Amino acid sequence: EVVLTQSPDTLSLSPGERATLSCRASQSVRSYLAWYQQKPGQAPRLLIYDASNRATGIPARFSGSGSGTDFTLTISSLEPEDFAVYYCQQRYSWPPLTFGGGTRVDIK
Amino acid sequence: QLQLQESGPGLVKPSETLSLTCTVSGDSISSSPYLWGWIRQPPGKGLEWIGSFRYSGTTYYNPSLVSRVTISVDTSKTQFSLKLSSVTAADTAVYFCARHQDNYCSTSTPCAFHIWGQGTMVTVSS
Repeated sequence: EVVLTQSPDTLSLSPGERATLSCRASQSVRSYLAWYQQKPGQAPRLLIYDASNRATGIPARFSGSGSGTDFTLTISSLEPEDFAVYYCQQRYSWPPLTFGGGTRVDIK
Repeated sequence: QLQLQESGPGLVKPSETLSLTCTVSGDSISSSPYLWGWIRQPPGKGLEWIGSFRYSGTTYYNPSLVSRVTISVDTSKTQFSLKLSSVTAADTAVYFCARHQDNYCSTSTPCAFHIWGQGTMVTVSS
């Protein structure tokens, strides 16, 4: 099973700041990694698929990078609606499909 | 527009079987190359994939749950279901259904959990 480790657990930032979230895989997942945003009481929302491709309707301030075992989600300038929990998920080696433990982005 | 909606009992007794249905509108479950799956999230915790199926007949389960889980599709091709047997308090979670795919990826149909239901809370308690 591919274990995804996200860091940090919590990121406290102010609107307008840059957010950098990390996801590390226990083995290579090539570029088969997605990122999701989840707000309280809502289903996750797909942001990035296959490491660096923005899903339809996702603002350009969200970008993904990386391959192999190390991946990054960057939010270039945080908007108030970006404060949420973010999850990574791999589809290279499955079953099982696996998710990271999440990073919470809080308002500082 | 594709929409998914989970339904089922919100309370299940320990040792019993949890049964949920996902109703699909705006598309057919038989459409390829999609997979249809279940994901759960215990209160305050992260996401766990339960299993997925292709209409062509292949079903995939999380090895951690395979002995207790069954995913099946209704012949109407508009609903699919989840059954989880011998539940305990650890199965208390919000259960989501979702569509995904693993090939023929594009911006409009990315290879990830692209469309989600709103989720339904299931509590296991006597």
